[in-house]
Amino acid sequence: EAGVVQSPRYKIIEKKQPVAFWCNPISGHNTLYWYRQNLGQGPELLIRYENEEAVDDSQLPKDRFSAERLKGVDSTLKIQPAELGDSAVYLCASSLSRLGGGWETQYFGPGTRLLVL
Amino acid sequence: ILNVEQSPQSLHVQEGDSTNFTCSFPSSNFYALHWYRWETAKSPEALFVMTLNGDEKKKGRISATLNTKEGYSYLYIKGSQPEDSATYLCAFGAGKSTFGDGTTLTVKP
Repeated sequence: EAGVVQSPRYKIIEKKQPVAFWCNPISGHNTLYWYRQNLGQGPELLIRYENEEAVDDSQLPKDRFSAERLKGVDSTLKIQPAELGDSAVYLCASSLSRLGGGWETQYFGPGTRLLVL
Repeated sequence: ILNVEQSPQSLHVQEGDSTNFTCSFPSSNFYALHWYRWETAKSPEALFVMTLNGDEKKKGRISATLNTKEGYSYLYIKGSQPEDSATYLCAFGAGKSTFGDGTTLTVKP
């Protein structure tokens, strides 16, 4: 079974430039998560999708971040414009149907390491 | 915002040592507690999911216990090996998963 695929693995950009990350979840997983992990901290949820619907985006900085999950499979996370403080690892994860309680094991991709100069 | 705390932040042990670390979480409204292992340049990998007070899980030399009444979980590694070097994350599920900051374990040969 293929795991969660993310690209690119690394990205270096200058501040104010746009950047996009792509995620392909495990086949059959209808729940998809985007996390941001700052150095020395745990992953912080940015957005969670149930199929095509964003059901929790309370932590997504909507002034510069956007995400989409067309057809309920692949997802893209975009930052425009990027700021120095956006340097972090961006993780995508997927899980089977969301029961709403945090029971489900999440399967993570390798992450995209973003450096904003 | 839920407070999930892990201690220690980092740990350096010699090969063969046994070690343990702690995840503390709110004791109310408990759903599940997950442990993940994250090796450098790899994807975080699920170790255990624990749902009942008193749960004990084991996978090879790694085991975990859960106390939901007092709000903590312990992760134990018996006879640490260099390949155990990783960051160990716990995630507390109560509506949605909240991650701790992790314990980074370094095992020296």
